[in-house]
Amino acid sequence: NAGVTQTPKFRVLKTGQSMTLLCAQDMNHEYMYWYRQDPGMGLRLIHYSVGEGTTAKGEVPDGYNVSRLKKQNFLLGLESAAPSQTSVYFCASSYNEETQYFGPGTRLLVL
Amino acid sequence: AQSVTQPDIHITVSEGASLELRCNYSYGATPYLFWYVQSPGQGLQLLLKYFSGDTLVQGIKGFEAEFKRSQSSFNLRKPSVHWSDAAEYFCAVGVHYQLIWGAGTKLIIKP
Repeated sequence: NAGVTQTPKFRVLKTGQSMTLLCAQDMNHEYMYWYRQDPGMGLRLIHYSVGEGTTAKGEVPDGYNVSRLKKQNFLLGLESAAPSQTSVYFCASSYNEETQYFGPGTRLLVL
Repeated sequence: AQSVTQPDIHITVSEGASLELRCNYSYGATPYLFWYVQSPGQGLQLLLKYFSGDTLVQGIKGFEAEFKRSQSSFNLRKPSVHWSDAAEYFCAVGVHYQLIWGAGTKLIIKP
């Protein structure tokens, strides 16, 4: 039982490049979330999903897109990366409105 | 709007001393409340949570927290800290499938 996994662990992009971050969970959770974490700002919700095929915007959705084609996977896309998107990205999942379980994070550097 | 305040950005405590980390929230209804811990370079791990019932909740690693409705607070405590408790601690409020996060308190342990 791996819990929540994230791929890749670290990535360097040039401004304007695109990439996709993959989050996978094996706990059969309905809800999945993407956060970014920046120093002194805690975690900010980018997008979330309350079930397969559904997505919704969080606090800071601009510049990101997501997809939830399969219940166990939640993809975060950056179409044209900007230096302001340099951050640590965390995925989380939960069974209901209660406890969220977090992945180990992806460190993204945009030059 | 819902919000979570952790007034202390850093706290330094001697090993073996007691600890209290403060958390205040703004939310109209009875909240779901959480404390998470993040060790350097790691993801977030749930320490404890409050949903209802007994206002003093016990968590992992010897931590406890007390919900005080009159003060809109959910402070985290530990009677005797260990060097391994050095980490960043986040308080969160659960609102409609989402978590509203505080900015975090970094705990530094003096030998």
